[in-house]
Amino acid sequence: QQQVKQSPQSLIVQKGGISIINCAYENTAFDYFPWYQQFPGKGPALLIAIRPDVSEKKEGRFTISFNKSAKQFSLHIMDSQPGDSATYFCAASRRGSTLGRLYFGRGTQLTVWP
Amino acid sequence: SAVISQKPSRDICQRGTSLTIQCQVDSQVTMMFWYRQQPGQSLTLIATANQGSEATYESGFVIDKFPISRPNLTFSTLTVSNMSPEDSSIYLCSPGGYTFGSGTRLTVV
Repeated sequence: QQQVKQSPQSLIVQKGGISIINCAYENTAFDYFPWYQQFPGKGPALLIAIRPDVSEKKEGRFTISFNKSAKQFSLHIMDSQPGDSATYFCAASRRGSTLGRLYFGRGTQLTVWP
Repeated sequence: SAVISQKPSRDICQRGTSLTIQCQVDSQVTMMFWYRQQPGQSLTLIATANQGSEATYESGFVIDKFPISRPNLTFSTLTVSNMSPEDSSIYLCSPGGYTFGSGTRLTVV
């Protein structure tokens, strides 16, 4: 059972546009929601993360929006650049004995056209 | 953040053989997570390793196929045993969770 659902599977955006990737979860025990960026041949790199006590977190051109009641969170990439072309994964984690164990979405392949 | 060294970065192996992947981190971490990423897919947790205890395996993964060692708090190995082409994947360690090694790209022929 997929604990974190991610959409779309692929996304094509013009340079300068806004890229939006959405994720949803069911388990209310999740309390940490990171996003990862992965380039071909590389491991996933932590991009930005949010905890459920805030509704938005912004770091540069990257923003996470979090809706606790809807159990949804999304990544917005403003002013998208060709260098942002990569695969993006959302994930969720919970405290306790499994701290650090991540449940991943299926990934979104982003292509930014120049 | 911790510096993670994962070796080898890639390998091509014959079916029926075994490969041991090493993960070294520059700081002590309690939990070591090992993930598999099949071609074009997301990451799937193989097992969680805590020093001094047996690793805990996820459904679909067994110790005989993926034995893990955790001799200390900065080092772990994952062995892929009796390999078949279906084992061709990227294998990633995650010391402490949240950050990842650069991965081992395994191709089984």
